[in-house]
Amino acid sequence: DAGITQSPRHKVTETGTPVTLRCHQTENHRYMYWYRQDPGHGLRLIHYSYGVKDTDKGEVSDGYSVSRSKTEDFLLTLESATSSQTSVYFCAIRIGEYEQYFGPGTRLTVT
Amino acid sequence: DQQVKQNSPSLSVQEGRISILNCDYTNSMFDYFLWYKKYPAEGPTFLISISSIKDKNEDGRFTVFLNKSAKHLSLHIVPSQPGDSAVYFCAASVGNAGNMLTFGGGTRLMVKP
Repeated sequence: DAGITQSPRHKVTETGTPVTLRCHQTENHRYMYWYRQDPGHGLRLIHYSYGVKDTDKGEVSDGYSVSRSKTEDFLLTLESATSSQTSVYFCAIRIGEYEQYFGPGTRLTVT
Repeated sequence: DQQVKQNSPSLSVQEGRISILNCDYTNSMFDYFLWYKKYPAEGPTFLISISSIKDKNEDGRFTVFLNKSAKHLSLHIVPSQPGDSAVYFCAASVGNAGNMLTFGGGTRLMVKP
């Protein structure tokens, strides 16, 4: 157990509303990541963080923003949710040089 | 353009037999490769990895083979067990810029009793 929690675990929201997903870790790891998982695409990186207030874009960052004000929390925000952002979102932390360990996921449905 | 591809969306194997899951990549800069297993409604869990300086890594029933010239890696599970039924993702990383992982689309393995 890598000590990663995600909240909420499920959310249904309407198009155009803002949504924030939270990832919390208990072990002070420097690197944290947000991915989305969609059928046929595996997991795709949205944003990642390499320290407090240090973030960078991933492969599919359009429509998403992130913030990391504390080591243990990494927030993913959809400023104005769209139906194409319906997905399962996973947070991960990096332990060691390459291995990433994932949280349980948040299933988001945008109607 | 997918840099990591798993061309078999699904695989069915009899319990006790070998399962072979394949993965191809196009980026020659990848220097580390990982396999993850995912059960429904859970996050992916790390299974096994291999550095590009090796061609084989073994951990119990799981062995990963890397063929750099062919840009191909495979995961062998011997013997396969019903509990191995899951979606398997291969992932690759270039050793810089946060060591970001690029994932394949996944292969669903079904092990029949």
